[in-house]
Amino acid sequence: DGGITQSPKYLFRKEGQNVTLSCEQNLNHDAMYWYRQDPGQGLRLIYYSQIVNDFQKGDIAEGYSVSREKKESFPLTVTSAQKNPTAFYLCASSQQQGAAQPQHFGDGTRLSIL
Amino acid sequence: DAKTTQPTSMDCAEGRAANLPCNHSTISGNEYVYWYRQIHSQGPQYIIHGLKNNETNEMASLIITEDRKSSTLILPHATLRDTAVYYCIVRGNSGNTPLVFGKGTRLSVIA
Repeated sequence: DGGITQSPKYLFRKEGQNVTLSCEQNLNHDAMYWYRQDPGQGLRLIYYSQIVNDFQKGDIAEGYSVSREKKESFPLTVTSAQKNPTAFYLCASSQQQGAAQPQHFGDGTRLSIL
Repeated sequence: DAKTTQPTSMDCAEGRAANLPCNHSTISGNEYVYWYRQIHSQGPQYIIHGLKNNETNEMASLIITEDRKSSTLILPHATLRDTAVYYCIVRGNSGNTPLVFGKGTRLSVIA
């Protein structure tokens, strides 16, 4: 089935460690996005990529890094510089071309600090 | 900041229509209205979107006022599984524009 796969579903990190969240899509979408969600809040944009080998910072990029070496993959690294990384992380994708293409979301990764 | 205003929460009886309002008074001519919902601990699910005409699909109907400053999402026969947070989002017509989420409306469908 076509869709977006995020892994793992739950992730635990020790303080001071970097951790990478995986996001893969087989929808042949050009654009991919990472959002963060805190309890009771809406989603906030971390990074997005409109095309392979290109990405832009969102509203809360500090302490995070991304890469887009392949069209289908957009991994997010939460670095030790992110002081409050505990959150629900959501990846999405959309077609770049064409009007009003909706974004499709994965089921998220819940990151917790040990 | 989100460009939309939604009530914080609403209740709806099972089997009845759920009407979720959204104000977007600063919407510009090329911006669409999108609706997503998020069931607890899952990713947001796309529901419907529209520009100026009313839209209907298998999940819901979207009614946009003539001046486009507000809209209503209608779930015609709400079920318990429709309990979720519903987000109304205004977005330009470029397919790769990020979404800006507000806090949405928490809809509780009651048996």
